[in-house]
Amino acid sequence: DIQMTQSPSSLSASVGDRVTITCRASQSVSNYLHWYQQKPGKAPKLLISYVSTLQTGVPSRFSGSEPGTPGTDFALTISSLQPEDFATYYCQQSYSIPRTFGQGTKVEIK
Amino acid sequence: QITLKESGPTVVKPTQTLTLTCSFSGFSLDASGVSVAWFRQPPGQTLEWLALVYWDDDKPYSPSLKSRLTVTKDSSKNQVVLKMTNMEPVDTGTYYCAYGMSGNWFDPWGQGTLVIVSS
Repeated sequence: DIQMTQSPSSLSASVGDRVTITCRASQSVSNYLHWYQQKPGKAPKLLISYVSTLQTGVPSRFSGSEPGTPGTDFALTISSLQPEDFATYYCQQSYSIPRTFGQGTKVEIK
Repeated sequence: QITLKESGPTVVKPTQTLTLTCSFSGFSLDASGVSVAWFRQPPGQTLEWLALVYWDDDKPYSPSLKSRLTVTKDSSKNQVVLKMTNMEPVDTGTYYCAYGMSGNWFDPWGQGTLVIVSS
């Protein structure tokens, strides 16, 4: 199985802050890396597919990148944190079976 | 508009078989590239992928749960059914189904259904 490791596990930030969450794969997943947002008691919502493709309706303050080793190091950035962005974020790989998720990053209000 | 909704029992006893139904609208599971996936999430934990069913009836399963899982699709009823045998308390969690294009990304998801395994 491909292990997905997110960091940090949680963070506290203020409205307006720039926030970056990283996700590292235990082996290359090429560009088969997707990001989700989950709010308490709700189902996950897809934000970004294939590393950097923003889904329709997702605010442009969200972006995805591959800042380090291609295929293994990924990042989700929120350029200016808004109140509705406080949630847990997950990365997911679809390079191989089983599909696997990171452990999640909880973004809390500072 | 694509929607999905899970239904099934809230409580199952240990050793019993769980049967969940995902009822969907807004797409055809006979269309090329379309898939439906099942996931679960224990309380306070991350998401776990369980299984996929593709438009061509290919059905990859989680290797760790493969012996316990069966997924079937009924395109005429717009439903996908998940069966998980020999339920244990560690299987407690919220179970989701979701629409997937080519089994890569998944969106939207159903609202989820809580399953508690307890005697």
